[in-house]
Amino acid sequence: NAGVTQTPKFRVLKTGQSMTLLCAQDMNHEYMYWYRQDPGMGLRLIHYSVGEGTTAKGEVPDGYNVSRLKKQNFLLGLESAAPSQTSVYFCASSYIGVGYTGELFFGEGSRLTVL
Amino acid sequence: GESVGLHLPTLSVQEGDNSIINCAYSNSASDYFIWYKQESGKGPQFIIDIRSNMDKRQGQRVTVLLNKTVKHLSLQIAATQPGDSAVYFCAENVVGAGGNKLTFGTGTQLKVEL
Repeated sequence: NAGVTQTPKFRVLKTGQSMTLLCAQDMNHEYMYWYRQDPGMGLRLIHYSVGEGTTAKGEVPDGYNVSRLKKQNFLLGLESAAPSQTSVYFCASSYIGVGYTGELFFGEGSRLTVL
Repeated sequence: GESVGLHLPTLSVQEGDNSIINCAYSNSASDYFIWYKQESGKGPQFIIDIRSNMDKRQGQRVTVLLNKTVKHLSLQIAATQPGDSAVYFCAENVVGAGGNKLTFGTGTQLKVEL
């Protein structure tokens, strides 16, 4: 059971470079999320999707874009990376929305460093 | 309990003892609460949740207690094992004008000593 898979697991970028993080889930979940985790802070929601073809802003969306062209994939893009985006990024999915369940299935994380 | 500082609070317990991890919340509009476990280098893993209309819920070796009067949540782990070593954090779902929002705490590091 793969669950939620994130690629790449590690990446180092220079300021101003762009990159895309890929999240894939094989549980047929409708809802997908991108979070960032920083020391001393709880997980913060960047963007989320309630189904194929939909995206919505979360708590900290600035500097990020997302796409959900296929139900199983949720991409997170950084157009022009900044040092403040150095973080560990987690993708998660759920079968229904957080109004009904807090059981999110998380990937193993992608550690991004921006120099 | 939870912390907003740079260093996570740490709870050290002996193998076989019971662990109690605490979490304080501030929003009375939270309709359910969740506990997650995060092992080093891995993603968070759902443990158990509890609705706001409940005081207690039990799972396998875990019990969550909710005290709405003092806005306090606790996770009790029975017979703590080395595999329980991880960061544990609580989360709450707050229903507001913008819809539902999951808010995560910063976590408590549980260390199991042999």
